[in-house]
Amino acid sequence: GQQVMQIPQYQHVQEGEDFTTYCNSSTTLSNIQWYKQRPGGHPVFLIQLVKSGEVKKQKRLTFQFGEAKKNSSLHITATQTTDVGTYFCAAWNRDDKIIFGKGTRLHILP
Amino acid sequence: DAGITQSPRHKVTETGTPVTLRCHQTENHRYMYWYRQDPGHGLRLIHYSYGVKDTDKGEVSDGYSVSRSKTEDFLLTLESATSSQTSVYFCAISDGGDRDYGYTFGSGTRLTVV
Repeated sequence: GQQVMQIPQYQHVQEGEDFTTYCNSSTTLSNIQWYKQRPGGHPVFLIQLVKSGEVKKQKRLTFQFGEAKKNSSLHITATQTTDVGTYFCAAWNRDDKIIFGKGTRLHILP
Repeated sequence: DAGITQSPRHKVTETGTPVTLRCHQTENHRYMYWYRQDPGHGLRLIHYSYGVKDTDKGEVSDGYSVSRSKTEDFLLTLESATSSQTSVYFCAISDGGDRDYGYTFGSGTRLTVV
């Protein structure tokens, strides 16, 4: 079935460094969503991208949707301890159900 | 998030016993979902509902059943719990099932089967 692959699985960064996670699909996606889950918490919706080449920003977070709509990225500038958590991408499959990537776990080193 | 609650938050049960988890929403959303989250597997869909008494299977539905007799309640039942069903269970809701909105997740139920 359709899958969305996320890389890396884990990322350790020094506080203040940038962080990027990537989401890739072998098939064209109609849209892509990003979620954040804090340790011990539940996933929280961050944003949705729909258009080819779309870029959206939320403060230090920049989300991009590839031109071919097969990949997406989330970039965090100057990470802070509040950015700790797991970031998931999600996309709709052919059965009209949303499927989640396995996530990238971000650790911040003080 | 306000508007969706799961109960219980934690449960320990013995192998072979039935277990029911409850998801309650006050948003009047049509779509409700049950996911399980396990290390290395991410979020996997168990069952979902697209209306009262309308439910369908997800990718990991074996050993689980669901019921939705009211818009606001979606119950997940493990008929005979097994250790492989030890997991964190999340309920999620969405408005209209369309693609314009994200899911809202409950706080989760941590289930341990011993």
